[in-house]
Amino acid sequence: GDSVTQMEGPVTLSEEAFLTINCTYTATGYPSLFWYVQYPGEGLQLLLKATKADDKGSNKGFEATYRKETTSFHLEKGSVQVSDSAVYFCALRGPGTYKYIFGTGTRLKVLA
Amino acid sequence: SQTIHQWPVTLVQPVGSPLSLECTVEGTSNPNLYWYRQAAGRGLQLLFYSVGIGQISSEVPQNLSASRPQDRQFILSSKKLLLSDSGFYLCAWSVWTADTEAFFGQGTRLTVV
Repeated sequence: GDSVTQMEGPVTLSEEAFLTINCTYTATGYPSLFWYVQYPGEGLQLLLKATKADDKGSNKGFEATYRKETTSFHLEKGSVQVSDSAVYFCALRGPGTYKYIFGTGTRLKVLA
Repeated sequence: SQTIHQWPVTLVQPVGSPLSLECTVEGTSNPNLYWYRQAAGRGLQLLFYSVGIGQISSEVPQNLSASRPQDRQFILSSKKLLLSDSGFYLCAWSVWTADTEAFFGQGTRLTVV
């Protein structure tokens, strides 16, 4: 079945450091790919998405590119802030399916 | 605009007691509805999803059940809670097209004691 693999956390960075959170997937066909963010005690919020190969999703300085050849959707940000501290989830939804499959999440902690 | 309401926000229940969590969506018709569970330090596990009234698909066999009595209402239930049912429960909705995201409620923190 479809699956998503994320790098293990936690990730601890200093403010203004470069962020990469790796995400790879296994799916049939061309799934839609998503990054969600979860702040403590809250539900998930969509951060960005990409729906076809080579698409780049971006929002609030975060970016991720849909790489079909490597089945990856890595999240990047050039300069993180303390307010970016949260848990980040990579997810997919396969074509013709209803289910959203999530990775295990990566906790990010940004230090001032 | 569409909104999703999930309640209660927190719940402490004794082992063996029943459970009912409710989720409603406003501003859309015939949404796909989902229940996820997030255990401490783990990812999101899909429990149930529904594509229409009375249509429930179960992903994980367990002592939980789900019902969809109305188009925009989704209920998660248990007759007898176990300690292992503790976790953060999230309701979500989406439209039928696969290139759109799911929208999540604020979650319910369930502690079984």
